[in-house]
Order: sequence, then structure tokens, then C-alpha cells
Amino acid sequence: KAGVTQTPRYLIKTRGQQVTLSCSPISGHRSVSWYQQTPGQGLQFLFEYFSETQRNKGNFPGRFSGRQFSNSRSEMNVSTLELGDSALYLCASSLGARADEQFFGPGTRLTVL
Amino acid sequence: DQQVKQNSPSLSVQEGRISILNCDYTNSMFDYFLWYKKYPAEGPTFLISISSIKDKNEDGRFTVFLNKSAKHLSLHIVPSQPGDSAVYFCAASALYSGGGADGLTFGKGTHLIIQP
Repeated sequence: KAGVTQTPRYLIKTRGQQVTLSCSPISGHRSVSWYQQTPGQGLQFLFEYFSETQRNKGNFPGRFSGRQFSNSRSEMNVSTLELGDSALYLCASSLGARADEQFFGPGTRLTVL
Repeated sequence: DQQVKQNSPSLSVQEGRISILNCDYTNSMFDYFLWYKKYPAEGPTFLISISSIKDKNEDGRFTVFLNKSAKHLSLHIVPSQPGDSAVYFCAASALYSGGGADGLTFGKGTHLIIQP
């Protein structure tokens, strides 16, 4: 069974631009969660989508948004990029129940210049 | 406010000995705890979990202990092997009154180094 895939793996943008990251979950998984990892803050939860609906949201500004498609693939968008948005963005998929194990993708490394 | 804390950024242990990684939490609503392992350039991989109704869960060389009164959990690795060298994250989950799944709250990680 293929794992969680994320594209692109690396991205360089400049301040003020916007970016869209993509995540394909494991086949059959309906829940997709997004996390931001930075050296200072560690891994922080952004949001979770289940059956095309945002089910949970972390404490991030509205510049961070996402969506999920009917095939469970998810995209995350960050608008008006700031230097502090430079981070590793991780996507995780699971079957959808709370105690289900989350399987993480390799992440997208975003650098904002 | 950091709700999940791993106070040791790094830990060095000799091969064959026991590795003990610690984690403290402050949110009494957390009722499910997990440990993840992460190698460079890879996403975290699930190791072991424990529900708050238990105080111990074991899986091979890995054992997680939960002390709810102290809001403390620990991961024991016995015996430690060179391949265990990685960053270990403690994570917690809470079921809010609204129901449904919740994102994981992670600690900042402990870098475990197994010395040959």
C-alpha cells in the first residue's frame, strides 16, 4: 500500500506570495491533518479535514487555509507569505476515528525569502 | 503555553542499555497519548500509544508508562539499538465536548543518540 505523498518536496517563495501544497493520503483514509514544524515551535497542528469538511482547526491565522476533495486528497494554501512561514509542512492521514494512528508524509520544505 | 513538554532536547545512551524519554503535559483534557519517531528528511512514524484508562502499554522493546496524577508519561526502550537514534516526539489528544477527532499536540522532541 502506498504511503502518504506530498508535493512538492521543496519550495522557495518570496514574501507576499501565496503557495499551495498538496497531500495524497493512504488509499481508504478519509482524514487528512496538516502540521507545521519549525525549530522554535516544534510540530503544531494546523487543521484536519474529514470527508471534505474541516473538522478541527489549530491556532493559526486565516492566511492558512485548506480543502479536501472527494477522493480525500487535500491541499493547503498559505497567502501573503511571511518570513516566519518558512517551515516543514507535514500532512498525515488516518481512517478518521480519533484514536486511529496517523501516518505522516515526508513533508514539504517551504522557504520564504 | 506549551501543553506538552519534553524537557530534554537530547539524550545519549549506550547501546544495549535502557533509554528513558520523558514527557509532561498540562491539559487535563488529554486522554490519549502517542510517541512518534522521526528520522531526518522523513515524516514522523508512529511507535506506540496509550489511553488514559491504562497506565502501561508494551510493544516489543518499547513500553510507555502513564502517570495521570503527575501528568507525566515516559517511553522506555530496552535494549537500545543504534537504529533507535532519532528524534522522539510525545503527542497528546483530547476529546472536546463537541466530539470528533482532534489534532495532536506535540512536544518539541528529544534527540536520542545511541552510542556503540
